[in-house]
Amino acid sequence: AQSVTQPDIHITVSEGASLELRCNYSYGATPYLFWYVQSPGQGLQLLLKYFSGDTLVQGIKGFEAEFKRSQSSFNLRKPSVHWSDAAEYFCAVRTGYSSASKIIFGSGTRLSIRP
Amino acid sequence: EADIYQTPRYLVIGTGKKITLECSQTMGHDKMYWYQQDPGMELHLIHYSYGVNSTEKGDLSSESTVSRIRTEHFPLTLESARPSHTSQYLCASSEGDNQPQHFGDGTRLSIL
Repeated sequence: AQSVTQPDIHITVSEGASLELRCNYSYGATPYLFWYVQSPGQGLQLLLKYFSGDTLVQGIKGFEAEFKRSQSSFNLRKPSVHWSDAAEYFCAVRTGYSSASKIIFGSGTRLSIRP
Repeated sequence: EADIYQTPRYLVIGTGKKITLECSQTMGHDKMYWYQQDPGMELHLIHYSYGVNSTEKGDLSSESTVSRIRTEHFPLTLESARPSHTSQYLCASSEGDNQPQHFGDGTRLSIL
């Protein structure tokens, strides 16, 4: 069965430090991959997506993610975090190419920023 | 910014009441979704719709029902609320099968 794993439940980094949030998926073919961010009390906002082509994708707010087929990973990175980046981050995968396919979300990684 | 709206943002209500959570989008998206999310947990798909008069149950069983009479409107109804329904409910829409979903701000529901 298709699944998305975010191994880190909670990460704390210092402001200005680099960040990498891990995401692994289980799916037989190349999936469509997404990263969303959720601030407290808010809905989810799309950070970036990967469908095909260049495996390094750029998103909003200075985030990027790299699709690595050999590792079934789609890790999110940012070279220098800001206090406003504190939020919950969700990796998601869309499995299949038909109208019946759905998006599966990981359990999320909560990011805290140390001043 | 995505134009998808959920009301109410917060609702605290007693057991046994009928509740309708509203979701509207102004983007003309055919596909709409309802997710249930407990605090700090992942999203679970409970309902989705691919267009007017089309509704399907999602991966997580839910006692709620939905309707899709108009493209822009996808309300979720609980006929008799129970404390186990306490959660956050997120509505989303997308333009196409492989397009990202746009989310509303959610309704945080507490059943006493």
